[in-house]
Amino acid sequence: AQKITQTQPGMFVQEKEAVTLDCTYDTSDPSYGLFWYKQPSSGEMIFLIYQGSYDQQNATEGRYSLNFQKARKSANLVISASQLGDSAMYFCAMRVYTGNQFYFGTGTSLTVIP
Amino acid sequence: NAGVTQTPKFQVLKTGQSMTLQCAQDMNHNSMYWYRQDPGMGLRLIYYSASEGTTDKGEVPNGYNVSRLNKREFSLRLESAAPSQTSVYFCASSELPGPNYGYTFGSGTRLTVV
Repeated sequence: AQKITQTQPGMFVQEKEAVTLDCTYDTSDPSYGLFWYKQPSSGEMIFLIYQGSYDQQNATEGRYSLNFQKARKSANLVISASQLGDSAMYFCAMRVYTGNQFYFGTGTSLTVIP
Repeated sequence: NAGVTQTPKFQVLKTGQSMTLQCAQDMNHNSMYWYRQDPGMGLRLIYYSASEGTTDKGEVPNGYNVSRLNKREFSLRLESAAPSQTSVYFCASSELPGPNYGYTFGSGTRLTVV
């Protein structure tokens, strides 16, 4: 069975500082993809970053990077230089080769403090 | 703008009423999905359609039906709405199944059943 765990219901970070949002996953499928989505208060789901299980390097997209530790089955999202607009709910998700759907964590609510 | 279009954005139903949530994508994606989002529970899969002409149950299908009308459109029907179906509903599409294909989400439908 596939599972995504996000253990931080809420996080606070000072503006311009970096923050790490935790995500651990469980799957027996050797081929999988890990995704992070942002959901601002307006409600839409915005794709942030993707990491494939066979990727040798950690993914980066602008201020977002994914700290992928395969042996520990963790895929933490790092946001550098936080901005007020980063305040949102963040979801970690996984998709495996043998399945069709995404599996989502319960989300982390991030608040950026001025 | 290209993407996934959901209608309506908001709906209030009385217990026992029926309604259909509409979803259409113009990206020529093969797979389409319906999720519900509840506080503290992340996104849970209701039904999906891997390709035109096929539909399958997800994690929480009870009380719902779906129709993949054509490649573009995937509707979700509540035959007899219940207060437990109060939620935010997201439609999503994916070009193909597989671990390196992400979702494109619609903007969501906020449904309240009273």
